[in-house]
Amino acid sequence: DIVMTQSPDSLAVSLGERATINCKSSQSVLYSSNNKNYLAWYQQKPGQPPKMLIYWASTRESGVPDRFSGSGSGTDFTLTISSLQAEDVAVYYCQQYYTTSYTFGQGTKLEIK
Amino acid sequence: EVQLVESGGGLVQPGGSLRLSCAASGFTFSTYWMHWVRQAPGKGLEWVSRINPDGSITSCADSVKGRFTISRDNAKNTLYLQMNSLRAEDTAVYYCARDAYSGSCGPWGQGTLVTVSS
Repeated sequence: DIVMTQSPDSLAVSLGERATINCKSSQSVLYSSNNKNYLAWYQQKPGQPPKMLIYWASTRESGVPDRFSGSGSGTDFTLTISSLQAEDVAVYYCQQYYTTSYTFGQGTKLEIK
Repeated sequence: EVQLVESGGGLVQPGGSLRLSCAASGFTFSTYWMHWVRQAPGKGLEWVSRINPDGSITSCADSVKGRFTISRDNAKNTLYLQMNSLRAEDTAVYYCARDAYSGSCGPWGQGTLVTVSS
């Protein structure tokens, strides 16, 4: 199975500042035939189900604010929140869908400093 | 508006069985892959199982293989998860989710809690 490792486990950022979460996969999730990275990012606020933010590593889901962006390729990926808002407090997960084990990272808890 | 509503969770003894349901509305259910994903209390997300639109292709995580079975009834717009031989480590909130892009998941239901305990 592909192992997804996120860093850091928790993060405290001031309002209006940039937040960066990293995700590393144990093998490449880039599918060469279509040049797509099979990597998604999710946001889970307390008491709520997860919500998909980013798919194909860098495509923002409809309705997601443009302060959220995804980057990376192969085995190393990043979720960036350009200017942290209070409503962004949540746990963030990456997920690979390159193989049908569909593994998630362990999560990164984002708080306000 | 897409809605996914899970039901069927509850308290069950180790070794027992439970069937979860997920009622779908607001989209053409019969054309989408569907997933079950679980989350143990205070823990992260674990993918459990998936099924293709007509129910002919299924797969599940090694942790539940041979014990859990995913199925669907497209006439009733409902997804199921039959869980047998339940263990304490199966205690979790179980979410159903629509497949978004080849295995990514969205949107998600609110979840149903399964507690396995004597």
